[in-house]
Amino acid sequence: EPEVTQTPSHQVTQMGQEVILRCVPISNHLYFYWYRQILGQKVEFLVSFYNNEISEKSEIFDDQFSVERPDGSNFTLKIRSTKLEDSAMYFCASSSQGGDNSPLHFGNGTRLTVT
Amino acid sequence: GESVGLHLPTLSVQEGDNSIINCAYSNSASDYFIWYKQESGKGPQFIIDIRSNMDKRQGQRVTVLLNKTVKHLSLQIAATQPGDSAVYFCAENTSNNNDMRFGAGTRLTVKP
Repeated sequence: EPEVTQTPSHQVTQMGQEVILRCVPISNHLYFYWYRQILGQKVEFLVSFYNNEISEKSEIFDDQFSVERPDGSNFTLKIRSTKLEDSAMYFCASSSQGGDNSPLHFGNGTRLTVT
Repeated sequence: GESVGLHLPTLSVQEGDNSIINCAYSNSASDYFIWYKQESGKGPQFIIDIRSNMDKRQGQRVTVLLNKTVKHLSLQIAATQPGDSAVYFCAENTSNNNDMRFGAGTRLTVKP
């Protein structure tokens, strides 16, 4: 069964550094998402992306965050200047239709640790 | 056994019993609902979904019930197995939106 893959599985970075989290969504999916989950807490929506542009974003997704689909297979999340509170699991997801019509399929996440 | 989602985030059941996990949602405009299962160290895994024009949907060993009047969603797992131990999240979305929102989650523990 096709799956969403994320790399790296664990990223450690120093406060103030830039990080790029990478995702390869399911190949025939058109909608892409990033979520984060602080340890022990719920899964929080960050951003959705369709047709090469952001379709929705949450209040968490401020100017420090950006997303990009640099080619036909990758989808990235960049955090420009990491803060301690950015430490979390970051999940990428994709869906064949919009999130109001089809379930999201999630990768196994990247654990980001900011020191 | 039963849980009340946000107010009782853990549920412990005996293997073979039925489990009921509850979720209260707040947005009356939500019309698409999904239950996800999250095992330790993994991403959320799709279990079952339901649209607001239905009040019940069944899958393999799972049933989702939707009560729009009181904005309540439940997941029933029949003959719970140790492999069902995980955190279960409900998620909701509204038509023409792409920002599916998750609830707080309930940890299900199955005792052998």
